[in-house]
Amino acid sequence: QVQLVESGGGVVQPGGSLRLSCAASGFTFSSYGMHWVRQAPGKGLEWVAFMRYDGNDKYYVDSVKGRFTISRDNSENTLFLQMNSLRPEDTAVYYCAKDSRFWSGHPSEGSFDYWGQGTLVTVSS
Amino acid sequence: DIQMTQSPSSLSASVGDRVTITCRASQNIRSYLNWYQQRPGKAPKFLIYGASSLQSGVPSRFSGSGSGTNFTVTISSLQPEDFATYYCQQSYSTPTFGQGTKLEIK
Repeated sequence: QVQLVESGGGVVQPGGSLRLSCAASGFTFSSYGMHWVRQAPGKGLEWVAFMRYDGNDKYYVDSVKGRFTISRDNSENTLFLQMNSLRPEDTAVYYCAKDSRFWSGHPSEGSFDYWGQGTLVTVSS
Repeated sequence: DIQMTQSPSSLSASVGDRVTITCRASQNIRSYLNWYQQRPGKAPKFLIYGASSLQSGVPSRFSGSGSGTNFTVTISSLQPEDFATYYCQQSYSTPTFGQGTKLEIK
């Protein structure tokens, strides 16, 4: 069965960095685009980033462009999110999510059919 | 960005009730509309795609409808496990979600 397990969350000061990981199993990781979605405490869901199945293209929400970098290692079935210049408003549970489409190359037109359990990132001094 | 607006923001109902949640898009998104259920402290669960197609394993008491800018999800007979928060999400362009509808026990 599909499993997504995030790790790497924690408490960081404003301006700091953190790297999240998402270990995937139960499906052919290299054939699916992958997303990061976040949820601030008590708030709704916000899509953050998407990486094409082969790693050749990536997309971001405007609020994280230039600060966050999504990447993947298809040989290790792992998705990453490098977060730099963190701000208090980045505080959230970060979920990795699998795109529903085979060979998904763009964040639109698909859906998030499997989610990890999430990892909490707290940006505070 | 396409804005998604759900109504109501919260809803109280009883086991066995029929409930409907509405989602409105700020522009025409055809049928590129998905629904998710999130129980407290858990990750979202994928329910419906393409506005009306049930994801595998989702009970048939859930149904979705709509196209263009107006969409609904209906639960025909509420079960205890259905009390949760529901989110719509458009996939016509860069994904955006509605603000959520919290379904509570009356």
